[in-house]
Amino acid sequence: GQSLEQPSEVTAVEGAIVQINCTYQTSGFYGLSWYQQHDGGAPTFLSYNALDGLEETGRFSSFLSRSDSYGYLLLQELQMKDSASYFCAALSGNTPLVFGKGTRLSVIA
Amino acid sequence: GAVVSQHPSWVICKSGTSVKIECRSLDFQATTMFWYRQFPKQSLMLMATSNEGSKATYEQGVEKDKFLINHASLTLSTLTVTSAHPEDSSFYICSARDRGTPAYEQYFGPGTRLTVT
Repeated sequence: GQSLEQPSEVTAVEGAIVQINCTYQTSGFYGLSWYQQHDGGAPTFLSYNALDGLEETGRFSSFLSRSDSYGYLLLQELQMKDSASYFCAALSGNTPLVFGKGTRLSVIA
Repeated sequence: GAVVSQHPSWVICKSGTSVKIECRSLDFQATTMFWYRQFPKQSLMLMATSNEGSKATYEQGVEKDKFLINHASLTLSTLTVTSAHPEDSSFYICSARDRGTPAYEQYFGPGTRLTVT
């Protein structure tokens, strides 16, 4: 089977940096995606890593280490609007994306 | 671009009745659509994958006779919850992609909150 583990909750201060980790166990792994979901809203795509290393998109960066089956999402200069749930999702073989349980990020003043 | 809509956004129905939820891609042709179920503060559980013009592929443990999925056109997929019961109450979200969309990226609808009384 496939499984992804990520912390259930993270709290960080406005303006700070926060890292949300994700470890995965999948066969035929292609890459790792990250999605953001505000309460009651639709998940939206943030980033995708197929190769080892860091991908940067504005305040958000995502990292992947295939040898460690590990990735993380890094959010810099946190803003209150970043309070949301963040899901890592693994792409493997011909199967649909498998999502982790999500990390609820609370940004406090 | 890449907008997906769902209708209704919320619905309350009585136990034993059936409810149909629509998922539409507004500005692209959705060759593949996915249906998810999400419980409060929990992950997205894939229920089924549907390709236009063919039968849906259901995930293990999902009753295909209870959750009827139809993907009759490139812009519309429907999920019908038949003989709904209170335990079917949940947040149902669809997502879609077209042939040109990478497999790691899906466009999600805003979801439908179903409450069965």
